[in-house]
Order: sequence, then C-alpha cells, then structure tokens
Amino acid sequence: RKEVEQDPGPFNVPEGATVAFNCTYSNSASQSFFWYRQDCRKEPKLLMSVYSSGNEDGRFTAQLNRASQYISLLIRDSKLSDSATYLCVVIKRDSGGGADGLTFGKGTHLIIQP
Amino acid sequence: DGGITQSPKYLFRKEGQNVTLSCEQNLNHDAMYWYRQDPGQGLRLIYYSQIVNDFQKGDIAEGYSVSREKKESFPLTVTSAQKNPTAFYLCASSPTGGGSDTQYFGPGTRLTVL
Repeated sequence: RKEVEQDPGPFNVPEGATVAFNCTYSNSASQSFFWYRQDCRKEPKLLMSVYSSGNEDGRFTAQLNRASQYISLLIRDSKLSDSATYLCVVIKRDSGGGADGLTFGKGTHLIIQP
Repeated sequence: DGGITQSPKYLFRKEGQNVTLSCEQNLNHDAMYWYRQDPGQGLRLIYYSQIVNDFQKGDIAEGYSVSREKKESFPLTVTSAQKNPTAFYLCASSPTGGGSDTQYFGPGTRLTVL
C-alpha cells in the first residue's frame, strides 16, 4: 500500500452538486492532515486543516477516520471556481513532536461543469 | 506585502550546467522547504531547513544542494548530477518545523533543461 493514496480522477461534477473524495494513508503514526488546492500551473494553497473531530469551512467539510486511516473532503453546492486539483498532506511526528515525514498525495482532479 | 517569492518564474538551462533557484520569505518563518513536482505527480521533498545554518535531505536530494545562511533565504542549486531536472520547483515555509505547522508556498519556478 502506498504511503498516501488519492483517486486521481478526474471527477466531473455538475455545478451545484455535492462531491466528496478520500485520501488514504498507510502509517498509523500519522498525526497531522491537511487539504490543499492547486490550480493548473500554480502553487498549492492551503484549503483546510483536518481535525480529529472534523471541521467545516463554508461549503467545505473535512473529516478524519483514524480507524480506517483516511481523510475526506466534501464540497457542497459546487461552483465552477472549485475546479482544481485537491492534494492531501499527511505528516508523521517523531517522539519529540516534530515533523518526521511529510507526504503529499498526487491529487484528485475535480472539474465542475456548467 | 508578506509572502514567499521565487525567481525566476521560468528558467531554461543547457544540459550539464548548474543553476540556482531563488526563494525568499519575509514571513519570519523558521522552516523552509524545497519540493519538486512532475506532471501528474505529487510533490516530493528535496531539502528542508528548520533553522538558519542547518538543513536536512528530503526524499530526493541527490543532484541538488542548498544553503541557509539567512533566515529569509533558501536557495536551491540544481547540479549537473541531477539526471532529470526538468520539473516545477516549489519553495515553502512554515513558522516552525513542527508537525502541525501549515506550509505556505511560493509561486514556483519551472525549470526546463534543453
């Protein structure tokens, strides 16, 4: 099993629909999780952190399932501007609490269609 | 304005030449990172630095070198030993090197070896 896996897509979704995708990770020692958004030929930008209790930011909801070792991102009422590649990031911590490894997924490509 | 700058945006070099990519940040962040992204691939960590005058190899450091003489600057040199240097290079910084820190990315440099 790869360290961090994402379905590359593309996910073609009509405007206004709800879409969700997951990111699975193999190392149970993983501690911190993030979702980034990357537009074509641009740098990744932080979308949201993923907390154990789940978190919501407007139309976006992120959740963590430690038992099954995956994080998810749900987008409600999708907009054309949501079209992008969504990258998950998984960070392991060492015994001192510092980052011991940071791995990006390859990304899920989302296309919102009018 | 605070942020991370990378220059140049596009860079062309002849095979066998060394080239240095610039990364500067005025966010007062301690930690800085260099990643490489190839088409359809995730980001791979080249080098990172958690404090001035110290840096560590990432997953794909061979053929690259860095320095961290100033907190604001973390230049990356792509040497002639790097077999496949054509890629999108991204620099990032975070307040500390801790596992929960958000990373902020510069706009990237696209390097093409002719």
